[in-house]
Amino acid sequence: EVQLLESGGGLVQPGGSLRLSCAASGFTFMNSAMSWVRQAPGKGLEWVSSIGGYGGATYYAHSVKGRFTISRDNSKNTLYLHMNSLRAEDTAIYYCAKGEVWFGESGMGYWGQGTLVTVSS
Amino acid sequence: QSALTQPASVSGSLGQSITISCIGTSNDIGGYKYVSWYQQHPAKAPKLMIYDVNNRPSGVSNRFSGSKSGNTASLTISGLQAEDEADYYCNSYTSSATLIFGGGTKLTVL
Repeated sequence: EVQLLESGGGLVQPGGSLRLSCAASGFTFMNSAMSWVRQAPGKGLEWVSSIGGYGGATYYAHSVKGRFTISRDNSKNTLYLHMNSLRAEDTAIYYCAKGEVWFGESGMGYWGQGTLVTVSS
Repeated sequence: QSALTQPASVSGSLGQSITISCIGTSNDIGGYKYVSWYQQHPAKAPKLMIYDVNNRPSGVSNRFSGSKSGNTASLTISGLQAEDEADYYCNSYTSSATLIFGGGTKLTVL
């Protein structure tokens, strides 16, 4: 059974940093493209970032490029999102999602339960 | 890049069919076959319902179907059931090597 478990969310001040983790199990992690998708309170889904299988290419939404870094540790079956220079508009539930080998095709077939990030002073 | 355009809400009666549209541009929907649709119930994680325009993941009811014409993608749900009431989001790959979601459509089953 595929399982994705996010952690690391919490309350952080504007300008601060946070690292989210997503522990994966039940599938061959290194072969799978992985993504982060967020949802602000009461709002729609917003794609944040993706990383290819084998930790190759990385992709970012314009709204987070230069501030967020996606990475993966295939030996630990774990996906990360390093978030710097956080702003109030980054407040959202952050979901980890699994794709196929290339992030653009086949959709995101499995999702975690999400972790809440709140940016506020 | 602006979100794909979806109607804010649609409704249909039990047993009827509805279609949700998703309008993009030639730089996303019109240019690629990589359109997906997600269902989200309140306080739940999204669920993939359609991928690559018209493919259903294993376990998704065949009452759900997808299509694309030009810059517009569509999700059709036939034989509406009460459990179909949820928010639906379209998603597409773009020429900027990013993914983009629609604003979401709230489906009400009457």
